Amino acid sequence: QSVLTQSPSTSGTPGQRITISCSGSSSNIGRNFVYWYQQLPGRAPKLLIHSNDERPAGVPDRFSGSKSGTSASLAISGLRSEDEADYYCASWDDSLKDVYIFGSGTKVTV
Amino acid sequence: QVQLQESGPGLVKPSETLSLTCTVSGDSISRYSWGWVRQSPGEALEWIAYIYVGVSAGYNPSLKSRVTISVDTSKSQLSLDFDSMTAADSAMYYCVGRSKLHGGSFDLWGPGTKVAVSS
Repeated sequence: QSVLTQSPSTSGTPGQRITISCSGSSSNIGRNFVYWYQQLPGRAPKLLIHSNDERPAGVPDRFSGSKSGTSASLAISGLRSEDEADYYCASWDDSLKDVYIFGSGTKVTV
Repeated sequence: QVQLQESGPGLVKPSETLSLTCTVSGDSISRYSWGWVRQSPGEALEWIAYIYVGVSAGYNPSLKSRVTISVDTSKSQLSLDFDSMTAADSAMYYCVGRSKLHGGSFDLWGPGTKVAVSS
């Protein structure tokens, strides 16, 4: 069972804006960066957001991240069919000496 | 550009040890830290272990007793040994790398190697 909780699924129509939430605790999101990964069907995950709200080079600005307290969110604006994927949040957890934890994942359907 | 490629047996028998290798190309393996992540069919990602080359290693507490991670810098390879395999360990296993560019995240991923546990 994942330490970081995400809603199992969400959906939207092309052009819409959707948000995905990730809930953690003071030992992980509360004191460490949040990362977001996109996993397209049959593919390895790809880093989408790092350091709570920073995009790696090449990631469209339609994707944005935010963090508040022990929760974080990923927003996708101008939703496209190619955004249909699984999305995972991740963070380091200090409670058991540097454990890297993933969220339970959210399936986005367009 | 750093590239990662996992290799493994594909199929192991219950109670056997799984040995996986990840070959790193495009840069020195010593410049990064490394790890392994797995994903059972239809399930979420699960972090297994990481290693800071020449410094330390860390393990998922729920798997720690069965897992060993290591790096061979002369071969530019990362390895994972996973003891006492069961059907529950059938999964896609990913080699991951952590550069210093993206806030401490594992930002480099191999394509994965599929492992099935069956007699």
